[in-house]
Amino acid sequence: QQQVKQSPQSLIVQKGGISIINCAYENTAFDYFPWYQQFPGKGPALLIAIRPDVSEKKEGRFTISFNKSAKQFSLHIMDSQPGDSATYFCAASMQTGNQFYFGTGTSLTVIP
Amino acid sequence: NAGVMQNPRHLVRRRGQEARLRCSPMKGHSHVYWYRQLPEEGLKFMVYLQKENIIDESGMPKERFSAEFPKEGPSILRIQQVVRGDSAAYFCASSRRLAGDYNEQFFGPGTRLTVL
Repeated sequence: QQQVKQSPQSLIVQKGGISIINCAYENTAFDYFPWYQQFPGKGPALLIAIRPDVSEKKEGRFTISFNKSAKQFSLHIMDSQPGDSATYFCAASMQTGNQFYFGTGTSLTVIP
Repeated sequence: NAGVMQNPRHLVRRRGQEARLRCSPMKGHSHVYWYRQLPEEGLKFMVYLQKENIIDESGMPKERFSAEFPKEGPSILRIQQVVRGDSAAYFCASSRRLAGDYNEQFFGPGTRLTVL
C-alpha cells in the first residue's frame, strides 16, 4: 500500500517556466512533509520541508503548498532552470515515527 | 562537516555470496536508517538503529538481511546469499532526533548493489 502518492511520474518544462509536482497522503497522523531532490547516481538531498501548521513555505525559487483538509501538498519550482533537472521525491513522516514514507518520484527535465 | 558516508559506492556480487554495506552517520548523529530503492521506485524503509540497538526493523525482509550499529564503527547492512532481486540502491540516512524534533533525515550517496 502506497502511503504517499505522487504525480506526475515525469515532467518536461521549458526554462523559465513553473514546475509543479503533487503528492497526496491518507494518514492524518503525518506531521512532517519534506521534499527531496536526487541527481543520477547521488543520494536524495533535502530541498524543503513543511509542517501542517502552515499552508505555504517558500525558500528561494521553491515553494511548498499544503492543503490539510484535502491531504495534499505540492512543490512549485519557479523560473525552472536546466540545473533543476533531477528526480523529486515527496515524503511524509510522523514526529513519533521512525521512517519516512516516500512517493514514487517525479523525473523533471527542464529544456533550455 | 562531512555528510553521511557510505561504502562501497558500487558492489557486484554473484548469487549466493554475501554483501556488506557500510554507513557512517553525520557527526553528532546517533540515529541511522536504511532504505532500499528499486529502479523507477521511491525509497522503502528497511530498518532504524541507534548505537548497539535495533529500534525498528519492520521493513526488513525476515530472512538473509541483518543490520547492526556497533558502539564503535559504522552501521553495517548485511545481505546473505544474495539473489538477483536484491539488486538495488541502498541508502543510509542519519538524524539527531532530539526530543520535539521532526526527525530530519540526511541521506548518504548510496551503495548500488548488482547481483549477477
